[in-house]
Amino acid sequence: KQEVTQIPAALSVPEGENLVLNCSFTDSAIYNLQWFRQDPGKGLTSLLLIQSSQREQTSGRLNASLDKSSGRSTLYIAASQPGDSATYLCAVLLSSNDYKLSFGAGTTVTVRA
Amino acid sequence: KAGVTQTPRYLIKTRGQQVTLSCSPISGHRSVSWYQQTPGQGLQFLFEYFSETQRNKGNFPGRFSGRQFSNSRSEMNVSTLELGDSALYLCASSEGASGAYFGPGTRLTVT
Repeated sequence: KQEVTQIPAALSVPEGENLVLNCSFTDSAIYNLQWFRQDPGKGLTSLLLIQSSQREQTSGRLNASLDKSSGRSTLYIAASQPGDSATYLCAVLLSSNDYKLSFGAGTTVTVRA
Repeated sequence: KAGVTQTPRYLIKTRGQQVTLSCSPISGHRSVSWYQQTPGQGLQFLFEYFSETQRNKGNFPGRFSGRQFSNSRSEMNVSTLELGDSALYLCASSEGASGAYFGPGTRLTVT
């Protein structure tokens, strides 16, 4: 069974600081890994998708790395802003034969103005 | 393209009743999966459908069921509601290696 862990559970930083969010998974034979953002009471917004053959993906201030051999992914958010305050979730997909995502518990980020 | 839509957005039901939630995926996406989100358990996988066939099912009681129609729209049904079924129910749409796209969710409150 795939176990996904996110550390830390919560993070509070001043505006402008860089954010580093960690995700680890127990089964390295993943198909892809996806990072999501969730605002309170809302659905999940996809941030970055990393296929198993890729080492990183970038979108604007966001960069996500993937190290399958060690079972780790890291999401970097540069120059944080108060609008980045949200819960960030990582999810792994083991197989393309069915779309069952295994989620971490998330990291709740607060960016102080 | 329009995103994933879920209806209704909010529901209040009484214990013992049943409820049906609906999800319309992104046009062209054949896979629809359902998740339950609660503060205590986080996001848990319910089931996934692809071209009207259930391909995988999570560890939930038989009171939770679903189906998918030929146009890829999906419904999930919960019978004999319990207080513990109160949650945010999310559906996700996907196709191939495109990643999963989630709808806004249905907030179910059981009283």
